[in-house]
Amino acid sequence: GAGVSQTPSNKVTEKGKYVELRCDPISGHTALYWYRQSLGQGPEFLIYFQGTGAADDSGLPNDRFFAVRPEGSVSTLKIQRTERGDSAVYLCASSFEGTAGELFFGEGSRLTVL
Amino acid sequence: GESVGLHLPTLSVQEGDNSIINCAYSNSASDYFIWYKQESGKGPQFIIDIRSNMDKRQGQRVTVLLNKTVKHLSLQIAATQPGDSAVYFCALRWVMDSSYKLIFGSGTRLLVRP
Repeated sequence: GAGVSQTPSNKVTEKGKYVELRCDPISGHTALYWYRQSLGQGPEFLIYFQGTGAADDSGLPNDRFFAVRPEGSVSTLKIQRTERGDSAVYLCASSFEGTAGELFFGEGSRLTVL
Repeated sequence: GESVGLHLPTLSVQEGDNSIINCAYSNSASDYFIWYKQESGKGPQFIIDIRSNMDKRQGQRVTVLLNKTVKHLSLQIAATQPGDSAVYFCALRWVMDSSYKLIFGSGTRLLVRP
């Protein structure tokens, strides 16, 4: 499709497990963003890539969270030793330029940590 | 840190009436503001944007007003329809050290009564 694609759409895991969430941005978009959204809250910034490099990872909550974008397209958000507090919807967005103009969001990956 | 707040968490309007959703922000350096609509189970969808050198911008049935003096942003929806029922977020662009990201408010839920 032409939109931002995120997989899996739902992930249930146990506390302490490792999780990977994938984002496939719109073709040609150079900027890619990860946000986290808890129930009843607005999206919270995690990390932003311009091309292959992380231009700003100031929103990652701790060193259990890591994201990569090795070829400047698909990105993977990795969460180690998951905790119940990590449960949220993880949203990915992309934009044509890296100036945070109009962001195109995927439908998110809902993570539940039991 | 930056904060973007909302005056009302839930707004209920009669179908056909006009809706006004308000947003307050604190960062006077922000140069770009966006309204997003989020339906249940979906990612945020761009509605309309406005730059800081403007005080009003109109789209199809929507108008955004920006008052930089009091740091206030509003979204007006004309002739509200059932399909407008969703959560609406204001967001502002935060620029620091060549990093561009959008900071979101906590959202207002719009309920349209038939």
